[in-house]
Amino acid sequence: ETGVTQTPRHLVMGMTNKKSLKCEQHLGHNAMYWYKQSAKKPLELMFVYSLEERVENNSVPSRFSPECPNSSHLFLHLHTLQPEDSALYLCASSQANQQARYGYTFGSGTRLTVV
Amino acid sequence: DAKTTQPNSMESNEEEPVHLPCNHSTISGTDYIHWYRQLPSQGPEYVIHGLTSNVNNRMASLAIAEDRKSSTLILHRATLRDAAVYYCILRDNYGQNFVFGPGTRLSVLP
Repeated sequence: ETGVTQTPRHLVMGMTNKKSLKCEQHLGHNAMYWYKQSAKKPLELMFVYSLEERVENNSVPSRFSPECPNSSHLFLHLHTLQPEDSALYLCASSQANQQARYGYTFGSGTRLTVV
Repeated sequence: DAKTTQPNSMESNEEEPVHLPCNHSTISGTDYIHWYRQLPSQGPEYVIHGLTSNVNNRMASLAIAEDRKSSTLILHRATLRDAAVYYCILRDNYGQNFVFGPGTRLSVLP
């Protein structure tokens, strides 16, 4: 375990389903991130929360909806996804404005398959 | 973000040292050099980072060129478990967030 826990590890959902991915950290970090990693592609930054406020949204389709109720928890709500959204979704956390000195801690990811 | 350039892939024999290069000719004075690696079906994990001086930890060593325009991650004795994609990333505290390139895919041969 890295200190960042993601659930579920695997998820298969139909295109009309609604599901949520969960991320939890107890490292005392105050910034959290969602990344998407499609097959054979680099990680793509999706959303950034710093001090519980969303500070970045990289042109992600509205069928992905993040939520950060507190500095320890991050959710990614999914609805009406497409097959091309199948990917590994990774959560990370860091100390806001200190990521250069201390870096990020990643979770193990949720492998999402949209059928 | 300052850009980094890494070879797409490298091979090493088990129990031999591995030197993974990274070029970052546009690095600024406040950029830290970070290395992460990603094992199959896992999230990236921190390996090492540095600013100007060479760094050592239990996983690896980081050799930083005097002009800071390049760096080398050194695995002293590669094991099969070191087979992964290795990412070299530049970060400062004031810019955008970690942006990952394609990295170097390291294969370790028994």
